[in-house]
Amino acid sequence: KNEVEQSPQNLTAQEGEFITINCSYSVGISALHWLQQHPGGGIVSLFMLSSGKKKHGRLIATINIQEKHSSLHITASHPRDSAVYICAVDEGRAQKLVFGQGTRLTINP
Amino acid sequence: DAGITQSPRHKVTETGTPVTLRCHQTENHRYMYWYRQDPGHGLRLIHYSYGVKDTDKGEVSDGYSVSRSKTEDFLLTLESATSSQTSVYFCAISLAGSTDTQYFGPGTRLTVL
Repeated sequence: KNEVEQSPQNLTAQEGEFITINCSYSVGISALHWLQQHPGGGIVSLFMLSSGKKKHGRLIATINIQEKHSSLHITASHPRDSAVYICAVDEGRAQKLVFGQGTRLTINP
Repeated sequence: DAGITQSPRHKVTETGTPVTLRCHQTENHRYMYWYRQDPGHGLRLIHYSYGVKDTDKGEVSDGYSVSRSKTEDFLLTLESATSSQTSVYFCAISLAGSTDTQYFGPGTRLTVL
C-alpha cells in the first residue's frame, strides 16, 4: 500500500507570500491529485498530474516521478487561499486513491 | 460543478440502528466512491463501485455495506451503527477511475450516540 506524507501539517503565512506544500509517496504511481477543502467542508479537485508541471491561475503543481515527490505552490497568497490542501495518489489497477493527511494553510491579511 | 448530491446532509442516530446514506449523480460517471473523514486520519476509502452492481472494498469497510442498482445512485449502509462510525462521509465520482478528476459531494455529517 502506498504511504503518502505531506509537509508541513500546518502552515501560517502573510498575504502575498509564496507558499509551498510538499507530498511524498512510497510506491510508483500513475497519477497524483491535489485537492482543496475549505472550512465548511467542500472538497474540490485542483490538479491531477502524472508528470511535469501544471498551472492554474496562481496555483502551480509539479511532480518528480523518480523522486516520488510532488509540490503545490501558491504565488501571491491571499486569505481566500486558507484551506486544507490534500494530496492523493492512485493505486494503479485498483482504481483507488490513497490520501495524505492534509496541510492546513492559513493566510493572514 | 458536477451534479452530485448526498442525503441526508446531517443525521443523528443511536447505537445499534441501521443507517443508509445516499449518493446521487447526474453525470453518468462510471466510478463512485464512499469515504469517511476523521481528524488525524484524513480521507479513507470505505467502498467503491466501478459499475452497476460492481463494488469492491476499501481500507475501512468493516461494518459497512454498499449497493449500486442504478448508475446514478450509490448507497452506503451501516447495518448497526456504532459510535466509532461517527464521522463525515463523502461521496465522490469519477469518469475513468483513479487517474481521472475526482468530484466530491458536499458530505454527510453522521453522529452516532
